[in-house]
Amino acid sequence: DAGITQSPRHKVTETGTPVTLRCHQTENHRYMYWYRQDPGHGLRLIHYSYGVKDTDKGEVSDGYSVSRSKTEDFLLTLESATSSQTSVYFCAISRGGETQYFGPGTRLLVL
Amino acid sequence: QKEVEQDPGPLSVPEGAIVSLNCTYSNSAFQYFMWYRQYSRKGPELLMYTYSSGNKEDGRFTAQVDKSSKYISLFIRDSQPSDSATYLCAMLYNNNDMRFGAGTRLTVKP
Repeated sequence: DAGITQSPRHKVTETGTPVTLRCHQTENHRYMYWYRQDPGHGLRLIHYSYGVKDTDKGEVSDGYSVSRSKTEDFLLTLESATSSQTSVYFCAISRGGETQYFGPGTRLLVL
Repeated sequence: QKEVEQDPGPLSVPEGAIVSLNCTYSNSAFQYFMWYRQYSRKGPELLMYTYSSGNKEDGRFTAQVDKSSKYISLFIRDSQPSDSATYLCAMLYNNNDMRFGAGTRLTVKP
């Protein structure tokens, strides 16, 4: 998985609790992305980062925030988890933006 | 209407068959076209990447882009059971805005 790890790999949480997912890369790539994957929707971009402390919103950013304090780490936070945020979350990295390489994913269940 | 349309299948073929997977898109601003393969409970893996209209071949895989028709295809020759996976098309119109099809699930039967 192209030097990308995600943690945790599985998480069950309750509605209203905050959740933080971590993506760690060893490739020193500039760009990092968070996607969610849902049946019938494919992968949809939540947020992305183009450098340390530089982030921007994607297609489905409501209810999510991100932070990138180091090149290798990109955190995704659900401030107050809802059942609609039950999904599989993938982190991706890219050197220059065109080709993206994905991590193994985190399965999140919000009860 | 979704920007990228992909038939979800499922598609089942016998081993050795030629497989054709397709996507259509509506946004003419898309510049880069990718195909990803995703095994069950794994992350997507980049298979093919093309920029212009035409064909690109890599082993048993051929990616075809027709920008005039807004149509892309992935052909798999001599399909193997190990090709059984979900195939995702993806399109990019700047460095950071990639749109995916919903994926086609393929099963290759021995």
